[in-house]
Amino acid sequence: AQTVTQSQPEMSVQEAETVTLSCTYDTSESNYYLFWYKQPPSRQMILVIRQEAYKQQNATENRFSVNFQKAAKSFSLKISDSQLGDTAMYFCAFMKRDSGGSNYKLTFGKGTLLTVNP
Amino acid sequence: NAGVTQTPKFRILKIGQSMTLQCAQDMNHNYMYWYRQDPGMGLKLIYYSVGAGITDKGEVPNGYNVSRSTTEDFPLRLELAAPSQTSVYFCASSYYEYEQYFGPGTRLTVT
Repeated sequence: AQTVTQSQPEMSVQEAETVTLSCTYDTSESNYYLFWYKQPPSRQMILVIRQEAYKQQNATENRFSVNFQKAAKSFSLKISDSQLGDTAMYFCAFMKRDSGGSNYKLTFGKGTLLTVNP
Repeated sequence: NAGVTQTPKFRILKIGQSMTLQCAQDMNHNYMYWYRQDPGMGLKLIYYSVGAGITDKGEVPNGYNVSRSTTEDFPLRLELAAPSQTSVYFCASSYYEYEQYFGPGTRLTVT
Protein backbone atom coordinates (compact mmCIF):
# COMPACT_ATOMS: atom_id res chain seq x y z
CA ALA A 1 0.00 0.00 0.00
CA GLN A 2 1.08 3.54 -0.67
CA THR A 3 1.48 6.15 2.05
CA VAL A 4 1.81 9.92 1.74
CA THR A 5 3.35 12.00 4.53
CA GLN A 6 3.16 15.75 4.97
CA SER A 7 5.33 16.65 7.95
CA GLN A 8 4.29 20.30 8.26
CA PRO A 9 0.78 20.62 9.76
CA GLU A 10 0.85 24.42 9.46
CA MET A 11 2.95 27.06 7.73
CA SER A 12 2.73 30.79 7.23
CA VAL A 13 4.30 33.19 4.75
CA GLN A 14 4.21 36.89 4.07
CA GLU A 15 2.46 38.12 0.97
CA ALA A 16 4.77 38.22 -2.09
CA GLU A 17 7.29 35.85 -0.52
CA THR A 18 8.08 32.25 -1.48
CA VAL A 19 7.14 29.17 0.52
CA THR A 20 7.84 25.46 0.09
CA LEU A 21 5.56 22.69 1.31
CA SER A 22 7.03 19.22 1.85
CA CYS A 23 5.68 15.81 0.92
CA THR A 24 7.23 12.36 1.02
CA TYR A 25 5.66 9.12 -0.12
CA ASP A 26 6.33 5.43 0.11
CA THR A 27 5.66 3.06 -2.76
CA SER A 28 7.18 0.09 -4.55
CA GLU A 29 5.60 1.19 -7.82
CA SER A 30 7.64 2.72 -10.62
CA ASN A 31 4.79 4.21 -12.63
CA TYR A 32 2.59 6.74 -10.87
CA TYR A 33 1.30 10.29 -10.62
CA LEU A 34 1.76 12.82 -7.85
CA PHE A 35 -0.52 15.76 -7.22
CA TRP A 36 -0.95 18.83 -5.08
CA TYR A 37 -4.53 19.82 -4.30
CA LYS A 38 -5.66 23.06 -2.67
CA GLN A 39 -8.65 23.22 -0.34
CA PRO A 40 -9.63 26.81 0.55
CA PRO A 41 -12.16 27.62 3.29
CA SER A 42 -14.95 26.96 0.77
CA ARG A 43 -13.90 23.26 1.02
CA GLN A 44 -13.71 22.85 -2.76
CA MET A 45 -10.82 20.57 -3.77
CA ILE A 46 -8.83 22.21 -6.56
CA LEU A 47 -6.02 20.56 -8.51
CA VAL A 48 -2.92 22.76 -8.34
CA ILE A 49 -0.29 20.72 -10.16
CA ARG A 50 0.43 17.22 -11.41
CA GLN A 51 3.69 15.30 -11.93
CA GLU A 52 4.12 12.08 -13.87
CA ALA A 53 6.78 9.85 -12.32
CA TYR A 54 8.42 8.94 -15.63
CA LYS A 55 9.07 12.60 -16.44
CA GLN A 56 12.31 13.95 -15.05
CA GLN A 57 11.36 17.56 -15.65
CA ASN A 58 9.65 19.24 -12.72
CA ALA A 59 6.10 20.44 -13.40
CA THR A 60 5.26 24.13 -13.22
CA GLU A 61 1.96 26.03 -13.32
CA ASN A 62 2.40 29.78 -13.17
CA ARG A 63 3.51 30.60 -9.60
CA PHE A 64 3.44 26.93 -8.54
CA SER A 65 6.30 24.52 -9.16
CA VAL A 66 7.41 21.19 -7.75
CA ASN A 67 10.71 19.62 -6.82
CA PHE A 68 10.30 15.93 -7.66
CA GLN A 69 13.05 13.68 -6.34
CA LYS A 70 12.06 10.17 -7.38
CA ALA A 71 14.90 8.30 -5.69
CA ALA A 72 14.26 10.12 -2.42
CA LYS A 73 10.48 9.78 -2.87
CA SER A 74 10.05 13.47 -2.24
CA PHE A 75 7.61 15.86 -3.89
CA SER A 76 7.66 19.43 -2.57
CA LEU A 77 5.51 22.35 -3.74
CA LYS A 78 6.97 25.83 -4.14
CA ILE A 79 4.64 28.81 -4.24
CA SER A 80 6.26 31.99 -5.51
CA ASP A 81 4.94 35.53 -5.00
CA SER A 82 2.41 34.28 -2.43
CA GLN A 83 -1.01 35.88 -2.55
CA LEU A 84 -3.73 36.17 0.09
CA GLY A 85 -5.89 33.87 -2.03
CA ASP A 86 -3.32 31.11 -1.61
CA THR A 87 -4.43 30.69 2.01
CA ALA A 88 -5.76 27.14 2.11
CA MET A 89 -5.11 23.56 3.15
CA TYR A 90 -2.75 21.87 0.69
CA PHE A 91 -2.85 18.13 0.15
CA CYS A 92 -0.25 15.97 -1.49
CA ALA A 93 -1.68 12.90 -3.25
CA PHE A 94 -0.45 9.74 -5.00
CA MET A 95 -2.02 7.67 -7.77
CA LYS A 96 -0.64 4.37 -8.98
CA ARG A 97 -0.73 4.01 -12.72
CA ASP A 98 -1.56 0.48 -13.84
CA SER A 99 -0.63 -0.73 -17.28
CA GLY A 100 -4.29 -1.56 -17.78
CA GLY A 101 -5.21 2.01 -16.87
CA SER A 102 -7.85 0.81 -14.46
CA ASN A 103 -6.52 2.18 -11.19
CA TYR A 104 -7.59 5.76 -10.62
CA LYS A 105 -7.51 5.85 -6.84
CA LEU A 106 -5.95 8.76 -5.02
CA THR A 107 -4.12 8.39 -1.72
CA PHE A 108 -3.91 11.66 0.21
CA GLY A 109 -1.63 13.03 2.90
CA LYS A 110 -3.06 14.75 5.97
CA GLY A 111 -2.49 18.22 4.60
CA THR A 112 -0.59 21.41 5.40
CA LEU A 113 -2.50 24.54 6.38
CA LEU A 114 -0.88 27.51 4.67
CA THR A 115 -1.66 31.03 5.83
CA VAL A 116 -0.55 33.99 3.74
CA ASN A 117 -0.23 37.12 5.87
CA PRO A 118 -0.65 40.65 4.49
CA ASN B 1 -21.62 23.27 -17.55
CA ALA B 2 -22.25 22.75 -13.80
CA GLY B 3 -19.39 20.24 -13.30
CA VAL B 4 -19.90 17.98 -10.27
CA THR B 5 -22.87 18.80 -8.07
CA GLN B 6 -23.72 17.35 -4.66
CA THR B 7 -26.84 17.54 -2.56
CA PRO B 8 -27.49 18.26 0.22
CA LYS B 9 -24.77 20.65 1.40
CA PHE B 10 -25.41 19.89 5.07
CA ARG B 11 -27.34 17.21 6.90
CA ILE B 12 -27.84 16.10 10.49
CA LEU B 13 -28.89 12.49 11.04
CA LYS B 14 -29.86 10.58 14.11
CA ILE B 15 -28.13 7.29 14.86
CA GLY B 16 -29.79 4.49 12.89
CA GLN B 17 -31.36 6.72 10.25
CA SER B 18 -30.71 6.26 6.56
CA MET B 19 -30.03 8.73 3.79
CA THR B 20 -28.71 9.06 0.27
CA LEU B 21 -26.10 11.58 -0.75
CA GLN B 22 -26.63 12.64 -4.32
CA CYS B 23 -23.88 13.27 -6.86
CA ALA B 24 -24.25 14.24 -10.50
CA GLN B 25 -21.85 15.32 -13.24
CA ASP B 26 -22.56 16.77 -16.67
CA MET B 27 -19.13 16.22 -18.23
CA ASN B 28 -19.85 12.72 -19.58
CA HIS B 29 -17.13 11.24 -17.39
CA ASN B 30 -17.03 7.49 -17.05
CA TYR B 31 -15.20 7.48 -13.75
CA MET B 32 -16.82 8.62 -10.52
CA TYR B 33 -15.69 8.43 -6.89
CA TRP B 34 -16.86 8.96 -3.34
CA TYR B 35 -14.42 10.16 -0.67
CA ARG B 36 -14.79 11.08 2.97
CA GLN B 37 -12.70 13.63 4.81
CA ASP B 38 -12.46 13.39 8.58
CA PRO B 39 -11.24 16.39 10.63
CA GLY B 40 -7.53 17.02 10.17
CA MET B 41 -7.16 14.27 7.61
CA GLY B 42 -6.87 13.85 3.88
CA LEU B 43 -9.58 12.27 1.77
CA LYS B 44 -10.17 8.51 1.84
CA LEU B 45 -11.84 6.61 -1.00
CA ILE B 46 -15.13 4.92 -0.13
CA TYR B 47 -16.35 3.57 -3.49
CA TYR B 48 -15.65 4.20 -7.13
CA SER B 49 -17.22 3.41 -10.49
CA VAL B 50 -15.60 2.99 -13.91
CA GLY B 51 -18.89 3.22 -15.77
CA ALA B 52 -22.64 2.70 -15.55
CA GLY B 53 -23.42 -0.59 -13.85
CA ILE B 54 -19.87 -1.08 -12.49
CA THR B 55 -18.82 -0.20 -8.96
CA ASP B 56 -16.02 -1.28 -6.65
CA LYS B 57 -14.92 -0.79 -3.05
CA GLY B 58 -12.30 1.69 -2.03
CA GLU B 59 -10.37 1.98 1.20
CA VAL B 60 -13.28 2.53 3.66
CA PRO B 61 -16.51 0.99 2.20
CA ASN B 62 -18.09 -0.40 5.38
CA GLY B 63 -21.46 1.15 6.19
CA TYR B 64 -22.03 2.47 2.67
CA ASN B 65 -23.58 1.33 -0.58
CA VAL B 66 -23.51 2.76 -4.08
CA SER B 67 -25.20 2.25 -7.41
CA ARG B 68 -24.51 3.61 -10.88
CA SER B 69 -27.45 3.23 -13.20
CA THR B 70 -26.51 6.18 -15.43
CA THR B 71 -23.28 7.87 -16.50
CA GLU B 72 -24.35 11.11 -14.82
CA ASP B 73 -25.38 9.98 -11.33
CA PHE B 74 -23.54 8.19 -8.53
CA PRO B 75 -25.53 8.21 -5.27
CA LEU B 76 -24.05 7.09 -1.95
CA ARG B 77 -26.35 5.35 0.52
CA LEU B 78 -25.92 5.22 4.30
CA GLU B 79 -28.23 2.54 5.68
CA LEU B 80 -27.78 2.74 9.47
CA ALA B 81 -26.03 5.97 10.34
CA ALA B 82 -23.40 5.81 13.07
CA PRO B 83 -21.43 8.62 14.78
CA SER B 84 -18.27 7.32 13.06
CA GLN B 85 -19.80 8.40 9.75
CA THR B 86 -19.74 12.06 10.76
CA SER B 87 -17.56 13.54 8.05
CA VAL B 88 -17.43 15.66 4.93
CA TYR B 89 -18.24 13.65 1.82
CA PHE B 90 -16.83 14.51 -1.59
CA CYS B 91 -17.88 13.16 -4.94
CA ALA B 92 -15.50 13.38 -7.90
CA SER B 93 -15.46 12.42 -11.55
CA SER B 94 -12.83 12.06 -14.24
CA TYR B 95 -12.32 11.33 -17.90
CA TYR B 96 -8.58 10.95 -17.70
CA GLU B 97 -7.17 9.06 -14.75
CA TYR B 98 -5.01 11.97 -13.71
CA GLU B 99 -7.62 14.72 -13.57
CA GLN B 100 -10.38 14.26 -11.01
CA TYR B 101 -12.93 17.05 -10.62
CA PHE B 102 -14.44 17.38 -7.16
CA GLY B 103 -17.86 18.51 -6.04
CA PRO B 104 -18.34 21.05 -3.22
CA GLY B 105 -18.90 18.41 -0.54
CA THR B 106 -21.65 17.40 1.89
CA ARG B 107 -21.12 17.94 5.61
CA LEU B 108 -22.84 15.13 7.51
CA THR B 109 -23.27 14.98 11.27
CA VAL B 110 -24.63 11.86 12.98
CA THR B 111 -25.80 12.35 16.58
